[in-house]
Amino acid sequence: GAGVSQSPRYKVAKRGQDVALRCDPISGHVSLFWYQQALGQGPEFLTYFQNEAQLDKSGLPSDRFFAERPEGSVSTLKIQRTQQEDSAVYLCASSLVRHRGIQETQYFGPGTRLLVL
Amino acid sequence: SQQGEEDPQALSIQEGENATMNCSYKTSINNLQWYRQNSGRGLVHLILIRSNEREKHSGRLRVTLDTSKKSSSLLITASRAADTASYFCATDAWNTDKLIFGTGTRLQVFP
Repeated sequence: GAGVSQSPRYKVAKRGQDVALRCDPISGHVSLFWYQQALGQGPEFLTYFQNEAQLDKSGLPSDRFFAERPEGSVSTLKIQRTQQEDSAVYLCASSLVRHRGIQETQYFGPGTRLLVL
Repeated sequence: SQQGEEDPQALSIQEGENATMNCSYKTSINNLQWYRQNSGRGLVHLILIRSNEREKHSGRLRVTLDTSKKSSSLLITASRAADTASYFCATDAWNTDKLIFGTGTRLQVFP
């Protein structure tokens, strides 16, 4: 079946511009995660949804970052007034919900590579 | 900040050789997972080992976990050029679903 898809794959923004990154999770996956991956580093957690509820946003680096998942499927990560340090690959992942304490595998999309000039 | 550290940071081997990567983490975990990332692509899940397991196999992959040392290793046997990628370990805790990734090992397999 179809995997996690993300769009756009590449985005170039001028400093100060707002951007919106989209994630389409695997159909039926309740959990959705956003991660940020800087060049040469491992991904770092940003935020997590279970259906439409944002259960953890502890990784969002500033109030310029905002994520939503209004209908419990597609999610959008918005970055306002982009800065050069926001340049990174933004990865989305989805999974079935944790069951009886056992975490389900997270399936990752190809990512959106954001470059802020 | 990332929880895990992996070593080596980079590894170059010939096809047919075995590749071993190590991961250390800081806090108690529920599971530890290994992911592969090819250049410019998303992460692909390889294998998951639970905190009460010590070793797990999947094809040419062998993972060990030592919770007393807070460390794990990934062994790829009989490597192939197609194994060239970055490999990351990721951990989660009992009360959270988010993954904490290590810094990664860049593996280069020469034909």
